[in-house]
Amino acid sequence: GESVGLHLPTLSVQEGDNSIINCAYSNSASDYFIWYKQESGKGPQFIIDIRSNMDKRQGQRVTVLLNKTVKHLSLQIAATQPGDSAVYFCAVIDSGTYKYIFGTGTRLKVLA
Amino acid sequence: KAGVTQTPRYLIKTRGQQVTLSCSPISGHRSVSWYQQTPGQGLQFLFEYFSETQRNKGNFPGRFSGRQFSNSRSEMNVSTLELGDSALYLCASSVAGGLRETQYFGPGTRLLVL
Repeated sequence: GESVGLHLPTLSVQEGDNSIINCAYSNSASDYFIWYKQESGKGPQFIIDIRSNMDKRQGQRVTVLLNKTVKHLSLQIAATQPGDSAVYFCAVIDSGTYKYIFGTGTRLKVLA
Repeated sequence: KAGVTQTPRYLIKTRGQQVTLSCSPISGHRSVSWYQQTPGQGLQFLFEYFSETQRNKGNFPGRFSGRQFSNSRSEMNVSTLELGDSALYLCASSVAGGLRETQYFGPGTRLLVL
């Protein structure tokens, strides 16, 4: 089955800098990927998604990059703000079981 | 539009007891999924309900069960609680539960088993 891993459990960045959070998946047949943000005491909140027919997708201050060759997904946050402090998860659809498989999350800390 | 609501928000139980958690989806959403979140395992899928029927199920023991009502509200039940069941239980709703539909999560119910 599908497995999803995040490269760093914690990432600290200076306010105003760009943040890059990475995620790796195992199944080359996966075709839909999502990034979620989870703030303390809250449930995960959808940030952005990307389908496998795309390499890049941009939202407001966020960009998701998909490299299907190495099965790698990244979330870039531009001009990181204190409000961006949260845990970020990637989720991948397991095409075999039709279920979401989540990574364990990267905690982003924004330093003033 | 109101978001996904979950009750209760916090719960303390002892081993061997059972617990029922409730989830009210966003109005108009007919699919409700349940997840268990723990520090070590992250989010793990429990089950998904659509139109009162369980459509998909994760790899959890039979002590974990759920149901959905005609108004799309859902409950999950855990019987014979174990210490390892301590976790944040999240529900998520979407319009029809399509795999590429955005799921909206509730704030979760934090369960502590002593």
